[in-house]
Amino acid sequence: AQRVTQPEKLLSVFKGAPVELKCNYSYSGSPELFWYVQYSRQRLQLLLRHISRESIKGFTADLNKGETSFHLKKPFAQEEDSAMYYCALSGQGGNQFYFGTGTSLTVIP
Amino acid sequence: DAGVIQSPRHEVTEMGQEVTLRCKPISGHNSLFWYRQTMMRGLELLIYFNNNVPIDDSGMPEDRFSAKMPNASFSTLKIQPSEPRDSAVYFCASGTGGSPLHFGNGTRLTVT
Repeated sequence: AQRVTQPEKLLSVFKGAPVELKCNYSYSGSPELFWYVQYSRQRLQLLLRHISRESIKGFTADLNKGETSFHLKKPFAQEEDSAMYYCALSGQGGNQFYFGTGTSLTVIP
Repeated sequence: DAGVIQSPRHEVTEMGQEVTLRCKPISGHNSLFWYRQTMMRGLELLIYFNNNVPIDDSGMPEDRFSAKMPNASFSTLKIQPSEPRDSAVYFCASGTGGSPLHFGNGTRLTVT
């Protein structure tokens, strides 16, 4: 069963424009949600997690349990935000991780 | 902490050869994951271990792939024999209950 869905494989926005990367999940119980970022030819790095409720590099994400969504948002995109973004879900005590298929974000100067 | 350490960073081999990828997880982490990343399929979970025991290997493509975790500080992913379609970046990640996964820098495998 697909647990994490990222409907957009590619997303392009202009510099300074708002950006939203969509993520929907399916999981019974109380999952923990994460966003990871992968810059060109680098490893995946944790961007933020829902329980922290913090803003990293201007990005925020709110867990919406009613809509089972965890969309990533930034009000003003920067060129250095161009990267691959993965939404991930952790369940069963954190020993299972499910990743979405990723969204490649390109910020156009 | 040096983080998750993978070796080699790059591997180029000929079809039919055996390939062994190595991973040293972060000390104290009790879960270890192997992922494969390609342009076509994105990030695929191959196998994960909990306390050195393989829990789910349903993502391992076929019998040519095998993974071991002989102790808490070392894991290997072996492909024998390798094929060109195995060319990908292989990531190892470790974690512990409730914490995010930490990824290594990956091994870029090219099979010619």
